Amino acid sequence: AAGVIQSPRHLIKEKRETATLKCYPIPRHDTVYWYQQGPGQDPQFLISFYEKMQSDKGSIPDRFSAQQFSDYHSELNMSSLELGDSALYFCASSYEGSSYEQYFGPGTRLTVT
Amino acid sequence: AQTVTQSQPEMSVQEAETVTLSCTYDTSENNYYLFWYKQPPSRQMILVIRQEAYKQQNATENRFSVNFQKAAKSFSLKISDSQLGDTAMYFCAFMNLRYSGGGADGLTFGKGTHLIIQP
Repeated sequence: AAGVIQSPRHLIKEKRETATLKCYPIPRHDTVYWYQQGPGQDPQFLISFYEKMQSDKGSIPDRFSAQQFSDYHSELNMSSLELGDSALYFCASSYEGSSYEQYFGPGTRLTVT
Repeated sequence: AQTVTQSQPEMSVQEAETVTLSCTYDTSENNYYLFWYKQPPSRQMILVIRQEAYKQQNATENRFSVNFQKAAKSFSLKISDSQLGDTAMYFCAFMNLRYSGGGADGLTFGKGTHLIIQP
């Protein structure tokens, strides 16, 4: 079965640089979610999109922005990177027919040096 | 806002034993789902089981079952006949549903329980 695809899987950036993470949801899924998981922590919800419109907003810093495109893929843009942004970033997708079960991608490991 | 509490940072049991992981939550919402996710050393987040708040019957998926007590806001996970591959971090998660507008809110996770299955 198709899964959520995230790219890149690993990313190394320097402080103050910009990063773009991409997410391709499971086909037919209409909702995409972004989460940030720091070392030894639980995942923190950042933002979600339903049918290409922002649906819910969590603890996303103002330096971050995201959008969902017409083909339902989503991108998380991160600017002015800080050391504290080093984390595992997950994308998840769901649709109403699956009782909104969120299926997670493998994550993008971002390291800011 | 809702909160999810997992009071057991770490648990260790012998292979083939039964283990129960605890989770409590606090919410003023009435229409929500609860989940257990497993995160093995690979860091992949794997959905284990789902419970709809409006259902009284406890969910079961093979060796995994839940004890959902809505009035007590309790949602524990029981793993029967535990296997070495069950060793992982287990997260309890809450999700609020929407009555209108479509979609669902993001998940709120507990801090997790590190489960170790000993051979």
